[in-house]
Order: sequence, then structure tokens, then C-alpha cells
Amino acid sequence: QKEVEQDPGPLSVPEGAIVSLNCTYSNSAFQYFMWYRQYSRKGPELLMYTYSSGNKEDGRFTAQVDKSSKYISLFIRDSQPSDSATYLCAMSAVFGSNYQLIWGAGTKLIIKP
Amino acid sequence: DTAVSQTPKYLVTQMGNDKSIKCEQNLGHDTMYWYKQDSKKFLKIMFSYNNKELIINETVPNRFSPKSPDKAHLNLHINSLELGDSAVYFCASSQDRQKLFFGSGTQLSVL
Repeated sequence: QKEVEQDPGPLSVPEGAIVSLNCTYSNSAFQYFMWYRQYSRKGPELLMYTYSSGNKEDGRFTAQVDKSSKYISLFIRDSQPSDSATYLCAMSAVFGSNYQLIWGAGTKLIIKP
Repeated sequence: DTAVSQTPKYLVTQMGNDKSIKCEQNLGHDTMYWYKQDSKKFLKIMFSYNNKELIINETVPNRFSPKSPDKAHLNLHINSLELGDSAVYFCASSQDRQKLFFGSGTQLSVL
């Protein structure tokens, strides 16, 4: 079992729909949870960053962390064709003196006009 | 004004050759990284440097050797290239370990 599981998709939705992207994880030690967006032939860029549990909102994007279920989500409201990209979750913790940042495999999202 | 720039963007080469990828960041960050992204988009850390000192060296073949002449530059040299080295290599930098800034990647194709 991988430490971080993420459905690779593709997930195809019509423009204007609400999109839900998710990751599950196995290690309860993770404390920081990130969502990165990667356009084709580009590097990932940080979209949302959350510490511990709870919600964080930024414009049309909401990141949600449920540590009791080991489950994180990214919601996109009023989705636009420009949101079409691969979305990677990432999470981190310090294990002893060793810092680890673990990545999901990414979900490809397609927003149809 | 590019924050993290890496060159070349594309690299096509024969098996057995030696090649280098260069990376520069103008963000003033202390930490730089090399990541490998395979065809399934999975990102894997290879190396991490903090202020020119190696702090992470994951299990990669010793054919891969990073070099950091100063904290704004981190280069990757690869000896005796193999078919399995074909991937996209990303340079990144950070000041906060959770907030990485990535370059646009180098698509390496080994024939």
C-alpha cells in the first residue's frame, strides 16, 4: 500500500461544475497538506497549503483536511477550461530528525467548454 | 522574470553518453532540489541541497551527481545514460519546505 493514494483519472466535467479531487493517506504523522497544479509541459505550482485539520478557502478553491479519516480534498467551484491540469497532493512530516515530503501520483482534470 | 530556470528544456541523447542539466533560481531561497517525474506523473525526490550542502540523497544510481557551486545554482550531471533514465527532471527551490517553486522541467530522452 502506498503512503499517499490519488486516483489518476482522467476526471472530465463540464464547465461550471463543482470539482472534487481527493487523496487518502496511511500515516497519521502527516501535518502539512498541499495541493499543486501542473499544466502540461510545465512544473508543478503550489495552489493550496494547509496545516493540520480544517478548511482553507482561496477564491474558487477550497482545501479540506480530515485527519481522523486520513483524507484530504480540493474543491473547485465554477470550474473553467483553464483549470484543466494535473492536480498533485503532497503531505509532509518530520520523522525523528528526518523530514519527508510525500507526493500523490496526480489526478488529471479536464474541464469541457 | 523566471524564478527557477533550467536548461536545456529538451535533451535527446544516446545510451552511454554523459549529460548535464543546469538550474538557477533568483528567489533567494536556501534549499534546492532535483526531482524525477516518470511517465505516470509520479514525482520522486532525488537530491536536496541547503546552502550548497547535500541534505537529502535518495536511492539513486551513483551515475547521477549533483553539484551546487552556490546557493542559487544546482546542476545535475548524469554519466553513462541508460534507457530507464528517460523522464522529466525538475529543479525546484524553497525557503519553506512545504512551498516548492519548480522549474519548467527538462525532458530527457535516451535512445
